[in-house]
Amino acid sequence: GQNIDQPTEMTATEGAIVQINCTYQTSGFNGLFWYQQHAGEAPTFLSYNVLDGLEEKGRFSSFLSRSKGYSYLLLKELQMKDSASYLCAVRDSNYQLIWGAGTKLIIKP
Amino acid sequence: IAGITQAPTSQILAAGRRMTLRCTQDMRHNAMYWYRQDLGLGLRLIHYSNTAGTTGKGEVPDGYSVSRANTDDFPLTLASAVPSQTSVYFCASSDNSAGVQFFGPGTRLTVL
Repeated sequence: GQNIDQPTEMTATEGAIVQINCTYQTSGFNGLFWYQQHAGEAPTFLSYNVLDGLEEKGRFSSFLSRSKGYSYLLLKELQMKDSASYLCAVRDSNYQLIWGAGTKLIIKP
Repeated sequence: IAGITQAPTSQILAAGRRMTLRCTQDMRHNAMYWYRQDLGLGLRLIHYSNTAGTTGKGEVPDGYSVSRANTDDFPLTLASAVPSQTSVYFCASSDNSAGVQFFGPGTRLTVL
């Protein structure tokens, strides 16, 4: 079967750095996405990786290793507004997105 | 520019009733999707459409139907609602099946 694993919840301090991991087993791979979802709102797109390596976008970076079936989202200089759930999704061989259950990130002052 | 709109925002429905959730996008995206999101689970694909006039089944299609008569609209119908269909429903669209998906604000549906 297809499976996306990410931690259920993480806590970090304002101003610090946090890394959210995602491991996947899917039928085929056509890219990995990270989305942010604030409570009661829709998911919003953060980043996309299809080749191995690091993609940097401001305070957020995303890394992919296809051979290990592994990705992480790195958030730097954490702000209170970063408190949200972070969703990892993989596009499979049918070009459908398979979603992890999300990681709830709690930021403490 | 609204992006993607969904209606209603929330609804309480008696079991056995028929219900249509509406989704409209103004981005001229070819592909559209319906997901449900339940606590502790990832988003699950119900139905999708890669282009107007075509639809396909996702991971959890039973009890739901869709149509795609034009590019902009992608309604989701529950023919006879059951309590297990209580969920938050998100509509999404992308330029094509390989593109980034953009989400509507969601519909919170409760079936009693």
